[in-house]
Amino acid sequence: DAGVIQSPRHEVTEMGQEVTLRCKPISGHDYLFWYRQTMMRGLELLIYFNNNVPIDDSGMPEDRFSAKMPNASFSTLKIQPSEPRDSAVYFCASSQGTGYSSPLHFGNGTRLTVT
Amino acid sequence: GQQVMQIPQYQHVQEGEDFTTYCNSSTTLSNIQWYKQRPGGHPVFLIQLVKSGEVKKQKRLTFQFGEAKKNSSLHITATQTTDVGTYFCAVGKGDYKLSFGAGTTVTVRA
Repeated sequence: DAGVIQSPRHEVTEMGQEVTLRCKPISGHDYLFWYRQTMMRGLELLIYFNNNVPIDDSGMPEDRFSAKMPNASFSTLKIQPSEPRDSAVYFCASSQGTGYSSPLHFGNGTRLTVT
Repeated sequence: GQQVMQIPQYQHVQEGEDFTTYCNSSTTLSNIQWYKQRPGGHPVFLIQLVKSGEVKKQKRLTFQFGEAKKNSSLHITATQTTDVGTYFCAVGKGDYKLSFGAGTTVTVRA
């Protein structure tokens, strides 16, 4: 298995531009998570999906952030418009099973820099 | 909400020495997971503890869940340069939300 695949690995953009991050979870995993990691705030859960349905988006910072999962093998996290404070590493993770008793498998992350 | 505190935040260890990092909660936990993130890498699952007083070992790593299920520890013996990284504990916050601690960042002096 190739693991969780994220693209791009690095993204540099100017303030005000739209940014789209992509994720392919591990096949057969029912849950998909988007996390953001910064030095100040650590690892924060933004949103998670179960069977392609968004379950909890309470961690999404504001309306500029949106996430979709059109099918079991693909998810996107979009920021529009982007701001310098959005600079962070964004991780996608997937797991199988219910509850929080299953290990998360993280992708390599997307390092976003907004200038 | 449920929070976990990890101590210490930083651990500087001489190669060959042992050290322990702790994860503490104010509420009883149903389970706890540990992850390791190498510099520039992504978190990688290490272990999950579920039972009160549970102890699990992975080579030089020993994980323990407290009797009251409010704290956990990770003990590494004979530290090696490959142990460098940040170790996170993660606990459930209801539904399927894992809350990560701030992590213990380990550096090793050769």
